[in-house]
Amino acid sequence: SAVISQKPSRDICQRGTSLTIQCQVDSQVTMMFWYRQQPGQSLTLIATANQGSEATYESGFVIDKFPISRPNLTFSTLTVSNMSPEDSSIYLCSVEDGALIEQYFGPGTRLTVT
Amino acid sequence: EDKVVQSPLSLVVHEGDTVTLNCSYEVTNFRSLLWYKQEKKAPTFLFMLTSSGIEKKSGRLSSILDKKELFSILNITATQTGDSAVYLCAVSSNSGYALNFGKGTSLLVTP
Repeated sequence: SAVISQKPSRDICQRGTSLTIQCQVDSQVTMMFWYRQQPGQSLTLIATANQGSEATYESGFVIDKFPISRPNLTFSTLTVSNMSPEDSSIYLCSVEDGALIEQYFGPGTRLTVT
Repeated sequence: EDKVVQSPLSLVVHEGDTVTLNCSYEVTNFRSLLWYKQEKKAPTFLFMLTSSGIEKKSGRLSSILDKKELFSILNITATQTGDSAVYLCAVSSNSGYALNFGKGTSLLVTP
């Protein structure tokens, strides 16, 4: 299975600032996803990020708030912009193993906004 | 709208017990159902199921899918305290491939 790393592992940020989260995969993958897990909740898809096309956002998530880059087949970034305490969550990237269609998750970024 | 419902939401058992976790779903154009174990931040992949009636097994864990009745179960036999975690069920469809998660089952195994 793909090995996925995320940076930072955790961060505490002030409201109104922005944070960029990086996701690196050890192999080339076509499909990459960004999820959010708010405290006590399950995972919610933010957007699908495929290389060579614009990210596709789910209802309730907009590009101005969560801009995503996907410059190549092994890397993506998610920015959480103009943060508020409601953005305090775990942010997770995942990739799909093309042959097996299994999805694997990175270790996550725990974000706290004060 | 796609829906994934897990039951029970929480469960407390003693070491050595056998547990069965349930996942029912409604999804348009079903592709796969996946089970994950989440202990801290990242969900850890357990199984992916695409075909009815074929049991997937890994050690003390096993899972099976019923595509006619739209549900799956995850069994854990001879539970250990290290099995304590939230178990997540998710489904994907052929329109998008992203995962739609249930709320999870929180399992606590006591010594």
